[in-house]
Amino acid sequence: AQSVTQLGSHVSVSEGALVLLRCNYSSSVPPYLFWYVQYPNQGLQLLLKYTSAATLVKGINGFEAEFKKSETSFHLTKPSAHMSDAAEYFCAVSPNYNQGGKLIFGQGTELSVKP
Amino acid sequence: KAGVTQTPRYLIKTRGQQVTLSCSPISGHRSVSWYQQTPGQGLQFLFEYFSETQRNKGNFPGRFSGRQFSNSRSEMNVSTLELGDSALYLCASSYTGDSNQPQHFGDGTRLSIL
Repeated sequence: AQSVTQLGSHVSVSEGALVLLRCNYSSSVPPYLFWYVQYPNQGLQLLLKYTSAATLVKGINGFEAEFKKSETSFHLTKPSAHMSDAAEYFCAVSPNYNQGGKLIFGQGTELSVKP
Repeated sequence: KAGVTQTPRYLIKTRGQQVTLSCSPISGHRSVSWYQQTPGQGLQFLFEYFSETQRNKGNFPGRFSGRQFSNSRSEMNVSTLELGDSALYLCASSYTGDSNQPQHFGDGTRLSIL
């Protein structure tokens, strides 16, 4: 079965510092991968997606992620953190077989940004 | 374009009652998925509907059910509520539910069981 592991349930960075949120997936074939962000009392907002077109994917709000098949990883990065980036981030995999409409999520990483 | 709309935003129920949650997808989206979010279990897939048919189901008891109408709006129902059903219930929509399509989420319904 496919699964997603996010390393670190809490990450704290200083404003202006690099943000690195880790995601590893388990799949026998390259899956479709997504990063979502959730702000308090809100739903999930799509940051970016990997659907095999390019290994480096750029998303909204300055975030990007690199798909590395050899490492089964899809880590999320942002060069310079802003206070507004404080939120919970979820990595998700969409099985690429007959499992339409289903996302499998990691446990989430809460990002704190210190002034 | 209006986003995914979920109603109500908050609900308080007691054990043994039943509840119905509503989701209106983005216009043109025909696939609607439901998820349960709790601090302990995280985000878990409940089921997915496309063209009024349930295509996919997660590992939840039969107390959790849903349906989809011809206009793609969806409802989920939970019967005989238990304390453990307290959660944020999220609805998401996409055009056809294909695996390479991102899902767009509503703000959720927060259900509290007393």
